[in-house]
Amino acid sequence: GAVVSQHPSWVICKSGTSVKIECRSLDFQATTMFWYRQFPKQSLMLMATSNEGSKATYEQGVEKDKFLINHASLTLSTLTVTSAHPEDSSFYICSAAPLAGDIYEQYFGPGTRLTVT
Amino acid sequence: AQSVTQLGSHVSVSEGALVLLRCNYSSSVPPYLFWYVQYPNQGLQLLLKYTTGATLVKGINGFEAEFKKSETSFHLTKPSAHMSDAAEYFCAVSATNRDDKIIFGKGTRLHILP
Repeated sequence: GAVVSQHPSWVICKSGTSVKIECRSLDFQATTMFWYRQFPKQSLMLMATSNEGSKATYEQGVEKDKFLINHASLTLSTLTVTSAHPEDSSFYICSAAPLAGDIYEQYFGPGTRLTVT
Repeated sequence: AQSVTQLGSHVSVSEGALVLLRCNYSSSVPPYLFWYVQYPNQGLQLLLKYTTGATLVKGINGFEAEFKKSETSFHLTKPSAHMSDAAEYFCAVSATNRDDKIIFGKGTRLHILP
């Protein structure tokens, strides 16, 4: 149980285009989902916390107009990278916290590799 | 606020030898502590966690960690390394309330020497 999927697993896009990444909790409901960014050989940096039905909370330094987060249901959150540029190339990982659990019970998705050319 | 320091970005051990990955934390409130493992191009897998109770925590794949409040440490150990243990390991901390986030350390890459 407690499986989180991400789609796509990798994507290549041209500079200036937008890319949407989906994060789904497959066998549980999640009121809270998190989006992380990981640069090569570095740690995960939390980008934003997303709660179902409300606006996401962005970490300091993260452009909310560039990284649009939607958490429309208890099993789906999406991250849209708008007007992507090469510096947005990274590994994006989501996690989901179960509805009935503590916040530390985060289950991580397998990640999405974004390459912007 | 919470923070995590992992000592050593790279650790190499011989197959069969003891694995010791160091983690020190800073927290103004009682912490939740975690160790995660990440294999190349994959997400994170929880190895073990400390929340309350017994300070020696056993996890998957033979790993364990001990919460030492006096030393603000949560080092990860495994008695005998296996080649399959080669991966990136992240220590993480969270405050013990539902609204806080998990803060990750910078990671330690574990290399296993044949």
